[in-house]
Amino acid sequence: EVQLLESGGGLVQPGGSLRLSCIGSGFMFSNDAMGWVRQAPGKGLEGVSIISASGGGPDYGDSVKGRFAISRDNSKNTLYMQMNSLRVEDTAVYYCVRWTRYSMDVWGRGTTVTVSS
Amino acid sequence: EIVLTQSPDTLSLSPGERATLSCRASRHIPSTYLAWYQQKRGQAPRLLIYGASGRAAGIPDRFSGSGSGTEFTLVISRLEAEDSAVYYCQQYGNPPPFSFGPGTKVEIK
Repeated sequence: EVQLLESGGGLVQPGGSLRLSCIGSGFMFSNDAMGWVRQAPGKGLEGVSIISASGGGPDYGDSVKGRFAISRDNSKNTLYMQMNSLRVEDTAVYYCVRWTRYSMDVWGRGTTVTVSS
Repeated sequence: EIVLTQSPDTLSLSPGERATLSCRASRHIPSTYLAWYQQKRGQAPRLLIYGASGRAAGIPDRFSGSGSGTEFTLVISRLEAEDSAVYYCQQYGNPPPFSFGPGTKVEIK
């Protein structure tokens, strides 16, 4: 079964840092682009970041550019998101996704990040 | 930057009826770059349609997508109670990395 499992969410103070992880299983992780999508409480979906299968060409939404960094370790089937200088408005459920045909065909269950003092 | 708008905001229909959801882009989008997702309450989104009209694996044929350029449509031909959800369209690349419409909530009476 194709699965994505996120971890690393939690409560952090404004200005703090967190690192999210996502382990993929049931597919050839190193063949697929991956990304992160977030959803603030009661709000819609927001594209956060995407990274190619090889780890090149990461791209970010304007709201996180310069603060978040996506990376991957294909030997560990793991995707990461380093989140620095966190703001209250970064509070959201963060979903790990697999990209194929310019769409996201596999989603994790999400990990919750809460930024609050 | 391309902005996606969806209409209506909410659609309230009875089981067996047909639902038509609209996604409009502020500029032309290659059909390849347009997808639709379903999100039920408390769940992660699920891919329904890729490339504007391709049905994702395991999606019932009650769901169909169409459109091109700036106008795209998702149709649920015969609503079932389990179709109650928020539906999002998504475009790839502009603005990077990708963006979503605000969503249409489908309620089943």
